[in-house]
Amino acid sequence: DAGITQSPRHKVTETGTPVTLRCHQTENHRYMYWYRQDPGHGLRLIHYSYGVKDTDKGEVSDGYSVSRSKTEDFLLTLESATSSQTSVYFCAISEGEKLFFGSGTQLSVL
Amino acid sequence: GEDVEQSLFLSVREGDSSVINCTYTDSSSTYLYWYKQEPGAGLQLLTYIFSNMDMKQDQRLTVLLNKKDKHLSLRIADTQTGDSAIYFCAESIGGGFKTIFGAGTRLFVKA
Repeated sequence: DAGITQSPRHKVTETGTPVTLRCHQTENHRYMYWYRQDPGHGLRLIHYSYGVKDTDKGEVSDGYSVSRSKTEDFLLTLESATSSQTSVYFCAISEGEKLFFGSGTQLSVL
Repeated sequence: GEDVEQSLFLSVREGDSSVINCTYTDSSSTYLYWYKQEPGAGLQLLTYIFSNMDMKQDQRLTVLLNKKDKHLSLRIADTQTGDSAIYFCAESIGGGFKTIFGAGTRLFVKA
């Protein structure tokens, strides 16, 4: 499973509250990614990181921020959650051209 | 822009072959992938093919690539109930941050 752990696995929150999702990896991978999965859309890239403190935006970055202060941790923050951010969030790492995914976080914003 | 399209559902009988199809738009794709997602789990890389190949076989899985038509297919021989899952086609045009996913094909296997 490429040593990827996501927490929490499930979260329910209210509109307007901040939410942080955590991705932890144990194998010193340089590249880490946050995707969201929605029916009919497949996976869409939110943000990615190519090293400590090095991050860039993906396709659907509005409303999200990320931080990577250590190689092993990549945090995704929703500053003020909205109902449109209800989704399943996946963290991934890459080895060469291959992506390996965590088990996901189901986030519900009510 | 880049786009990957695949049909949403496929139903087959156990023991039959399954063929899942995908079309993509970016001719500069370097790798094309098939990922499998089981309920409540993340995506698992099933197989992949480099863009200069036409076919790749791995046990029950056969991947066919038609670059001219930008068409990718995944054939699963002797489909089993454990193959029931969502299968995602994806193309990469340079690194993980340039991997584009289709919406996924849900495969139902009837016993």
